[in-house]
Amino acid sequence: DIQMTQSPSTLSASVGDRVTITCRASQSISSWLAWYQQKPGKAPKLLIYKASSLESGVPSRFSGSGSGTEFTLTISSLQPDDFATYYCQQYNNYYLTFGQGTKVEIK
Amino acid sequence: EVQLEDSGGGLVQPGGSLRLSCAASGFTFSDYWMNWVRQAPGKGLEWVASINQNGNEKYYVDSVKGRFTISRDNAKNSLYLQVNSLRGEDTAVYYCARDGVDAGLYFDLWGRGTLVTVSS
Repeated sequence: DIQMTQSPSTLSASVGDRVTITCRASQSISSWLAWYQQKPGKAPKLLIYKASSLESGVPSRFSGSGSGTEFTLTISSLQPDDFATYYCQQYNNYYLTFGQGTKVEIK
Repeated sequence: EVQLEDSGGGLVQPGGSLRLSCAASGFTFSDYWMNWVRQAPGKGLEWVASINQNGNEKYYVDSVKGRFTISRDNAKNSLYLQVNSLRGEDTAVYYCARDGVDAGLYFDLWGRGTLVTVSS
């Protein structure tokens, strides 16, 4: 199995801050990585696929980068609606795995 | 409206069974791989199973192999997950999810989830 490790597990930030979340894969996954946002009691929402492709309708303040084993999700200017938990997911093969999540909290 | 509606969860005793369903609408269901993803209370996301467009290719996470069966009925625009021999660690919200439009194994559309609680 490919293990996905996110850091940090929790992040405290203020509105307007630039926020970066890192996701590391235990082996190379090329660019087969997606990012999701989840709010309490809700289903996850796709933000980014293929490491850097922005899903339709997702604000441009969200961006993704990386390839191989190291990836980042960046929120350029944190907005009140962005306080949530974020997950990465690899899809390099048919055994799909998620990171453990990063909770973005209000500072 | 493009949507997925999951159902079929409930309280079941250890060793019991349930059949989860997911009704798709607003898109051509038969064009997509479909999936189940679960989330235990207070925990992260775990992929459970995937099925291809015509149902002849299926994949499962190791922890459910031999106990869970994913299936679909394209005529009814429906996805199913038969869950047998349930254990406490299967307690979770189960989401059905559609594969990405570029055939990538990521999930661009999710149901609201259905809660399965395994307890005596």
